[in-house]
Amino acid sequence: GEDVEQSLFLSVREGDSSVINCTYTDSSSTYLYWYKQEPGAGLQLLTYIFSNMDMKQDQRLTVLLNKKDKHLSLRIADTQTGDSAIYFCAETPTNAGKSTFGDGTTLTVKP
Amino acid sequence: DTEVTQTPKHLVMGMTNKKSLKCEQHMGHRAMYWYKQKAKKPPELMFVYSYEKLSINESVPSRFSPECPNSSLLNLHLHALQPEDSALYLCASSQGGGKNNQPQHFGDGTRLSIL
Repeated sequence: GEDVEQSLFLSVREGDSSVINCTYTDSSSTYLYWYKQEPGAGLQLLTYIFSNMDMKQDQRLTVLLNKKDKHLSLRIADTQTGDSAIYFCAETPTNAGKSTFGDGTTLTVKP
Repeated sequence: DTEVTQTPKHLVMGMTNKKSLKCEQHMGHRAMYWYKQKAKKPPELMFVYSYEKLSINESVPSRFSPECPNSSLLNLHLHALQPEDSALYLCASSQGGGKNNQPQHFGDGTRLSIL
C-alpha cells in the first residue's frame, strides 16, 4: 500500500526559509497535498501538485517534486511566527478515493 | 473560518450515552469524509460518502454510525463509546464524487471526550 514519510520536527528563525520534506511510494498518477494544522483547528489546505508537474509556486510557498525519487518538498520563504504549526504531506492516487497522510512535521519558528 | 462547519466544537459524554456529530458544507461538494485524529498524529480515515452513498468504511466499529441525509450534511452517530474513542473528529469534503482525488476541505473538528 501507499506510505508517506516526513521528518517529525523542524526549527527555524523568523525570516529564514523553511523546507519541509516528504517521500511517498505510490507509483501511479497521484495528487500530492500540503496541509497546515494549527493547535485546536482542522487541517488547512495550503497547496497541491499533480505528479506530472515539477514545481508550483504560490506567494511564499514553493512546492518541488522529484518524481524519480518520489520526493516532495515545501519551502516557506520569510518564515513568520504564525507559520508555526504541524504540516502534513498527503498523497491521493488517481481512483483511490482516499488520501494517505504522513505523520506530520512540527515547524517551530523562533523570534 | 472554514467552509465546512462542524458542531458541536466540544462534546463530553459517558460510555452509555448516545450523541451525534454534525457536519455541513455548502460548496456543492459531492464527497464527504469522517476522520479521527489523536493528538500529534495524522488523521485516520473512517468513512467516505460519495453522492450521498457510503463508499468507504475503514473497518470502523459499529458504535460509530454515519449518515448522509443530503448532499450538504453528514452526521456521525455515537453509541456506547469507549475511553479510547476520545479524539478530534474531523469532517472534510471534496468536489466530485466517486473515487476522486480532489483537494479535501476540512472543518475545525469536534473534540470528543469519553468519561
